[in-house]
Amino acid sequence: GQQLNQSPQSMFIQEGEDVSMNCTSSSIFNTWLWYKQDPGEGPVLLIALYKAGELTSNGRLTAQFGITRKDSFLNISASIPSDVGIYFCAGQEEGAQKLVFGQGTRLTINP
Amino acid sequence: GAVVSQHPSWVICKSGTSVKIECRSLDFQATTMFWYRQFPKQSLMLMATSNEGSKATYEQGVEKDKFLINHASLTLSTLTVTSAHPEDSSFYICSASWGGTDTQYFGPGTRLTVL
Repeated sequence: GQQLNQSPQSMFIQEGEDVSMNCTSSSIFNTWLWYKQDPGEGPVLLIALYKAGELTSNGRLTAQFGITRKDSFLNISASIPSDVGIYFCAGQEEGAQKLVFGQGTRLTINP
Repeated sequence: GAVVSQHPSWVICKSGTSVKIECRSLDFQATTMFWYRQFPKQSLMLMATSNEGSKATYEQGVEKDKFLINHASLTLSTLTVTSAHPEDSSFYICSASWGGTDTQYFGPGTRLTVL
């Protein structure tokens, strides 16, 4: 099925570093969502974006809905060990119920 | 708020048997529920979309007679894997949303192992 292009696929960073990941699509989306998934669990919603240009923060996390409506990024500042996991972007086209998911970004943090 | 539960969290069954997985929205009424399958180190793949009181809409390549979905109430949807085979072993995750929002909230997943 259709997928978003999410990058990078994996990141290995030191604790305290900032992290940036992004998703791009060939389609225009009305909604962008960012989820985090820990091993053996379901994805947990981090940030939801509903408007082009919207910049939203959730603690150390900041995400933006691109102006072209075809991309979004997620930043994590001052990473800590519990940030380890897989981050997924997801987009929704206008009028569609279903989400399209990115391939995920696996974040590993060295203490 | 927006809590979704799944039961069981894991199940092991013999090949040829059927397995039922429940998905419940605990603190909201879910007008739409979704069922996903996730293989190791891969992203979530949508299997079907289920609107309360209607037949589920299956994604291309998903056998509707093998993966039976029922969404009989605004808080419960079930996925039954019929005549399970080892290749059906996977992590099955449901999500739920309600009218007026596009956001999906996910359950904790069910690990199915077919021997």
